[in-house]
Amino acid sequence: AQSVTQPDIHITVSEGASLELRCNYSYGATPYLFWYVQSPGQGLQLLLKYFSGDTLVQGIKGFEAEFKRSQSSFNLRKPSVHWSDAAEYFCAVGAGNTDKLIFGTGTRLQVFP
Amino acid sequence: DSGVTQTPKHLITATGQRVTLRCSPRSGDLSVYWYQQSLDQGLQFLIQYYNGEERAKGNILERFSAQQFPDLHSELNLSSLELGDSALYFCASSGQGVYPGGELFFGEGSRLTVL
Repeated sequence: AQSVTQPDIHITVSEGASLELRCNYSYGATPYLFWYVQSPGQGLQLLLKYFSGDTLVQGIKGFEAEFKRSQSSFNLRKPSVHWSDAAEYFCAVGAGNTDKLIFGTGTRLQVFP
Repeated sequence: DSGVTQTPKHLITATGQRVTLRCSPRSGDLSVYWYQQSLDQGLQFLIQYYNGEERAKGNILERFSAQQFPDLHSELNLSSLELGDSALYFCASSGQGVYPGGELFFGEGSRLTVL
């Protein structure tokens, strides 16, 4: 069965600093990978997704993620963090034979001015 | 605004009671998913419906049930509530599913507090 691990529960960065959130997945075939963001009191919003092709995926709000099959990773990056990026970030994996997504436990991002 | 509407936004009830959470998917979306978000379990997939039929089942308790109606809205029924059922319940919808290029659109959730 597929699974997702987000090893960092909480990350704190200064505004303007670069950001990398880690995500490792477990799935036998080519996974479908997603990053969602949840702001306080809000639902989840899709940042980006990977299905096939170019392993570097661009998303909304200046985020990007890179799929590395050899490392079973799909890390999320942003070159310069803004205070409005403070939120909880979820990595998720889907499988080709099902529409359900399996989510990681999330990483809470705090941004200091 | 994702286009997915969930009601009620907040609900407080007592142990042993029964509640119904409602979800209206995005216009035209045939699939509805229910997820439970709690502090200790994270985001857990409960169940998926597609055009009125159950398609996939996750970690849904027997005390919980769901259905999708002909107008495509869905309801999640939670009965014999326990303190541990306190959580944020999300509904999501999709038009083409996750495979091979779709995404889930989430509502803002219904926060259930069981006292």
